[in-house]
Amino acid sequence: AQSVTQPDIHITVSEGASLELRCNYSYGATPYLFWYVQSPGQGLQLLLKYFSGDTLVQGIKGFEAEFKRSQSSFNLRKPSVHWSDAAEYFCAVGAPDNTDKLIFGTGTRLQVFP
Amino acid sequence: DAMVIQNPRYQVTQFGKPVTLSCSQTLNHNVMYWYQQKSSQAPKLLFHYYDKDFNNEADTPDNFQSRRPNTSFCFLDIRSPGLGDAAMYLCATSRDDTVWLAGGYSYNEQFFGPGTRLTVL
Repeated sequence: AQSVTQPDIHITVSEGASLELRCNYSYGATPYLFWYVQSPGQGLQLLLKYFSGDTLVQGIKGFEAEFKRSQSSFNLRKPSVHWSDAAEYFCAVGAPDNTDKLIFGTGTRLQVFP
Repeated sequence: DAMVIQNPRYQVTQFGKPVTLSCSQTLNHNVMYWYQQKSSQAPKLLFHYYDKDFNNEADTPDNFQSRRPNTSFCFLDIRSPGLGDAAMYLCATSRDDTVWLAGGYSYNEQFFGPGTRLTVL
């Protein structure tokens, strides 16, 4: 069965610092991988996705993520965090033959200090 | 702007009193989803509609029902809310012909509404 683990429940960084949010997945083959962001009071917004090909994917708002098959990871990165990036971030996995069903991780709450 | 709208944003109900949450969309998407997100937990898919075809997740309690009277609207009915049903309920939509990928698989990006936070007293 598919599963997603986000080991960090809460991360605090200073504005301007770099950021890496961890995501590990469990799936028998290469899954489809997603990162979503949820700002307070808002719905989930897709940041980026990986299906195949180049393992480094670029997303919106300056985020990128790297798929590492050997580590079953899909970590999200941003070189310089802005205060507006404070939000909850969810990693999700979908089976290629059933992308209607996304399995989400429990999320990482990002706090940004000025 | 095209969007997914959920009403109300906050809903308070009493234990055992039926409640209905509403989702509407202006995206003209044919797939609509309902997720339950409990505090500090991952969103969990309850069910989804593919046009009018209802797809229930195996572990979704019978207490949860859904209606989709037309393309734009979808309702989540909780027949007898328990304290454990207090959560954020997220509606999402997608279109089933969004992107075709290698291997013949398709990908349907899901667009989420802001959610309805349900409190059960």
